[in-house]
Amino acid sequence: NAGVTQTPKFRILKIGQSMTLQCTQDMNHNYMYWYRQDPGMGLKLIYYSVGAGITDKGEVPNGYNVSRSTTEDFPLRLELAAPSQTSVYFCASSYSGGLYGYTFGSGTRLTVV
Amino acid sequence: KNEVEQSPQNLTAQEGEFITINCSYSVGISALHWLQQHPGGGIVSLFMLSSGKKKHGRLIATINIQEKHSSLHITASHPRDSAVYICAVPPGALFGNEKLTFGTGTRLTIIP
Repeated sequence: NAGVTQTPKFRILKIGQSMTLQCTQDMNHNYMYWYRQDPGMGLKLIYYSVGAGITDKGEVPNGYNVSRSTTEDFPLRLELAAPSQTSVYFCASSYSGGLYGYTFGSGTRLTVV
Repeated sequence: KNEVEQSPQNLTAQEGEFITINCSYSVGISALHWLQQHPGGGIVSLFMLSSGKKKHGRLIATINIQEKHSSLHITASHPRDSAVYICAVPPGALFGNEKLTFGTGTRLTIIP
């Protein structure tokens, strides 16, 4: 079982560049999430999706976009990267909104210079 | 928004010791989550509990909904338990688990 697969694991971006963080799950989970984790801070929700075609903003959505065209994939798009977006990004999925726990990807460490 | 506080922030103990990590929150909830973040960064769900106690191996989680407090205990601690332990709660009792607020974590180090 692959679980939740995130790519890339590391990336350095220049200010103003754009990129897409990929997230794929093979567990047929309906819920998917994107979080960012800054040093000394708790995970913060960027966007989440309750199923294909449905997405909603979390606590810190500015500067990001998502789409959910299939159950399996939930890519996160960064437009016009800024140093404030330097962080570790985690994708996660769950069945039925977390009632049975969450499965996390291994994370993407992004640095914007 | 639900405010989450964890204590202690850092905990170092000898192998075999009984460990307690605490989590308090400000707004009444229906369920609370405990997660473990490994030194390499990977995150694993440990428990979701809405009342009483749950046990998995050497890990025990308890919650007191009225007092807005949960504890995570580790019996017979082992160096492989070294990790950051994170609690997370929804915005309130009428909310689902989509928009969790995460604590900043307790960094546990078990010395052989």
